[in-house]
Amino acid sequence: SYELTQPSSVSVSPGQTASITCSGHKLGNKYTCWYQQKPGQSPVLVIYEDTKRPSGIPERFSGSNSGNTATLTISGTQAMDEADYYCQAWDSGTWVFGGGTKVTVL
Amino acid sequence: EVQLVESGGGLVQPGGSLRLSCAASGFTFSNYIMNWVRQAPGKGLEWVSYIISDSSTIYYADSVKGRFTISRDNAKNSLYLQMSSLRAEDTAVYYCAREVYDNSAYFFDYWGQGTLVTVSS
Repeated sequence: SYELTQPSSVSVSPGQTASITCSGHKLGNKYTCWYQQKPGQSPVLVIYEDTKRPSGIPERFSGSNSGNTATLTISGTQAMDEADYYCQAWDSGTWVFGGGTKVTVL
Repeated sequence: EVQLVESGGGLVQPGGSLRLSCAASGFTFSNYIMNWVRQAPGKGLEWVSYIISDSSTIYYADSVKGRFTISRDNAKNSLYLQMSSLRAEDTAVYYCAREVYDNSAYFFDYWGQGTLVTVSS
């Protein structure tokens, strides 16, 4: 079965850039999306179709996808961005989520 | 305003059954693919099942295949998940999520608030 691998945690200072990777076999050939989940809340879509931001998502969130790795980048990270982030892709009749990355803003 | 409201969660014994519901409003439910996603306490998201608008195509995660059944009633704007032979590892918050597409990319744009299922004796 297809797997997506994310680092378990990423730490970033306020105002700096956080990069979260998501790795999977030939992931660049699939569309990847990203969700943000804060404690006690439902997931929220922050990136879809590798690079697109839904309405209402700040410009500091961006995405890329090439080769075996998709990346979610948060530029100018703010305290409110502290959350868990999950990548997602479709493979052979199955939605697959990465294991999630906890972003801590120190 | 799009709303997805899950219900039906609770405490059930191992081997028992439970039926979850997801009431949709604020959009034309019959036009959309719907999914169930679960999250065990302190763990990540796990996709459970998928059903297209007319119920003609259904997929399940291997972990629930043969035990869970997804269905929908477009006349009632409702999505269901019938869960049987429940195990302790099925304990999780269960979310329903709307799936949409843009160009050829699919993604979940709205999620419900979730309903907690606890499998324990």
